[in-house]
Amino acid sequence: GQNIDQPTEMTATEGAIVQINCTYQTSGFNGLFWYQQHAGEAPTFLSYNVLDGLEEKGRFSSFLSRSKGYSYLLLKELQMKDSASYLCAVMDSNYQLIWGAGTKLIIKP
Amino acid sequence: GAVVSQHPSRVICKSGTSVKIECRSLDFQATTMFWYRQFPKKSLMLMATSNEGSKATYEQGVEKDKFLINHASLTLSTLTVTSAHPEDSSFYICSARRPPGQREGPQETQYFGPGTRLLVL
Repeated sequence: GQNIDQPTEMTATEGAIVQINCTYQTSGFNGLFWYQQHAGEAPTFLSYNVLDGLEEKGRFSSFLSRSKGYSYLLLKELQMKDSASYLCAVMDSNYQLIWGAGTKLIIKP
Repeated sequence: GAVVSQHPSRVICKSGTSVKIECRSLDFQATTMFWYRQFPKKSLMLMATSNEGSKATYEQGVEKDKFLINHASLTLSTLTVTSAHPEDSSFYICSARRPPGQREGPQETQYFGPGTRLLVL
């Protein structure tokens, strides 16, 4: 079967760095997405990785290792507004998005 | 990023009535739109894939006669929940996939509407 695993919840301190991991097992791979979803709102696109390595975009970076079926989202200089759920999604060989359950990130002052 | 709107944002209806939710891509033509539902603290659940000018493809377990999807134009898809029941209460979210050739972001990125919160009494 297809499976996306990510931690249910994480807590971090304002100004710190946090890494949210995602492991996947899917039938084929056509890229991995990270989305941010604030409570009661729809997801917003953060990043896309299809090749191995690190993609940096401001305070957010996303890493992919296809051989390990592993990705992480790195958030630096955390702000209170970063409190949200972070969804990992993998596009399989049929170009279907397989969604993880999301990681709820709690930022404390 | 691309802009997708959804209307209404919230709706309360009586059991047995039908509710229509509209999803519009405002700044691009979307040949493919997706409809999701999400229960509290749960992940997104894909209900159906909507292709302009053709019938929607429903995921296993989703009743196509209950959740009617119409993708009549490249910028509009509608989801109608027919004969709604309290168990249909949920957060419904649409997304649109930007067509190839756009410079910003990967082709397969889905851009989400703000969602519609449905409460059936």
